[in-house]
Amino acid sequence: ILNVEQSPQSLHVQEGDSTNFTCSFPSSNFYALHWYRWETAKSPEALFVMTLNGDEKKKGRISATLNTKEGYSYLYIKGSQPEDSATYLCAFTYGVNRKLIWGLGTSLAVNP
Amino acid sequence: NAGVTQTPKFQVLKTGQSMTLQCAQDMNHEYMSWYRQDPGMGLRLIHYSVGAGITDQGEVPNGYNVSRSTTEDFPLRLLSAAPSQTSVYFCASSTEGVGSYEQYFGPGTRLTVT
Repeated sequence: ILNVEQSPQSLHVQEGDSTNFTCSFPSSNFYALHWYRWETAKSPEALFVMTLNGDEKKKGRISATLNTKEGYSYLYIKGSQPEDSATYLCAFTYGVNRKLIWGLGTSLAVNP
Repeated sequence: NAGVTQTPKFQVLKTGQSMTLQCAQDMNHEYMSWYRQDPGMGLRLIHYSVGAGITDQGEVPNGYNVSRSTTEDFPLRLLSAAPSQTSVYFCASSTEGVGSYEQYFGPGTRLTVT
């Protein structure tokens, strides 16, 4: 059974701290890695989709890297703000049928 | 541009009742899908469609039917509701398949089956 693991499960940081989380996925049959941000009482919103080994993407204070050979991606948040509080989901697409497998997310709480 | 809309937002059903969850998108996306979100589990794909007239099963299709008569609409039907179908349901769409395209999610429908 293919699995996407995210760690840590939850994280509490102070405003201004920088933080990062990990998404681990099977490296075989890799097609793409997705990061989504999911705020409470809202719906998931896409942050990044990455397909190439070594890819780095950035959106404001949030960036992500991808290592397809070893099967992991990091999401970094620089100078966390309370509005960054959310669950960050990663999902992995694999195979010829492009199946999408979701992780359980990392829940981030940023204290002012 | 409303994006992806879902109705209703909340619904309570009795065991055995049937109902349809509505999903519509105005972005001319070919790919649409239905997920359910349960505590302690990742989003699980119920059914998906790669275009009008084409649907296929996802991970957890039992107890649900879908159809895609237009590009815009992708309703999810619960045939005979069971307590195990208590969940939050999300509809999503993307330009093409989920391979390397971001998905746009609707606001969700919270369903309780008693």
